[in-house]
Amino acid sequence: QSALTQPASVSGSPGQSITISCTGTSSDVGGYNYVSWYQHHPGKAPKLMIYEVTNRPSGVPDRFSGSKSGNTASLTISGLQAEDEADYYCNSYTSNNTLYVFGTGTKVTVL
Amino acid sequence: QVQLVESGGGVVQPGRSLRLSCAASGFTVSSHGMHWVRQAPGKGLEWVGIISFDGSNKYYADSVRGRFTISRDTSKNTLYLQMNSLRPEDTAVYYCARERPGGWSDFDYWGQGTLVTVSS
Repeated sequence: QSALTQPASVSGSPGQSITISCTGTSSDVGGYNYVSWYQHHPGKAPKLMIYEVTNRPSGVPDRFSGSKSGNTASLTISGLQAEDEADYYCNSYTSNNTLYVFGTGTKVTVL
Repeated sequence: QVQLVESGGGVVQPGRSLRLSCAASGFTVSSHGMHWVRQAPGKGLEWVGIISFDGSNKYYADSVRGRFTISRDTSKNTLYLQMNSLRPEDTAVYYCARERPGGWSDFDYWGQGTLVTVSS
């Protein structure tokens, strides 16, 4: 099972919007609405930002939103803030032997 | 509040074994599926395995199946990862994570991780 494909890095200025893509196959992202997104500051515990493609857990700012089209899911951060600088990972359920697969990870830089 | 604390990491020689622990508080492990996820140095996250909420089902990533075993002790509210036949490529920070209530495909609380280094 190969990792889902994400861009290695995305950057934006404060207040701007950025979008991170997560591309898989019909066996994972495209086949199920079980895509989640995690924010990870190095040395800290990852944090759930989006679950089941579009849903935000309590406490996550509404600046974060998720969507999916075909085999590609996306995380959009609107009104980018300095504290959003972190690594972001998508995850999907997969029908392959390995039940869950993460994306390759995207480093978000706030300029 | 919900808290997960991993322990048991360290340096181990290839081929040897190690057992990681994940002490849970603020909830009971018998009510949630519990996962292990790892991150090799400079690499991304990799799902390792899951034990279902009732302990009856366990699933593993291809990379660890047959070598790693997940278990739990409900009296101690603790999750374990028994790692046998360790390889240098198992070197990583290992996280335990809780399955989100009402869901089964995402992880709402994570520990801070424990580092395992496999080296001679």
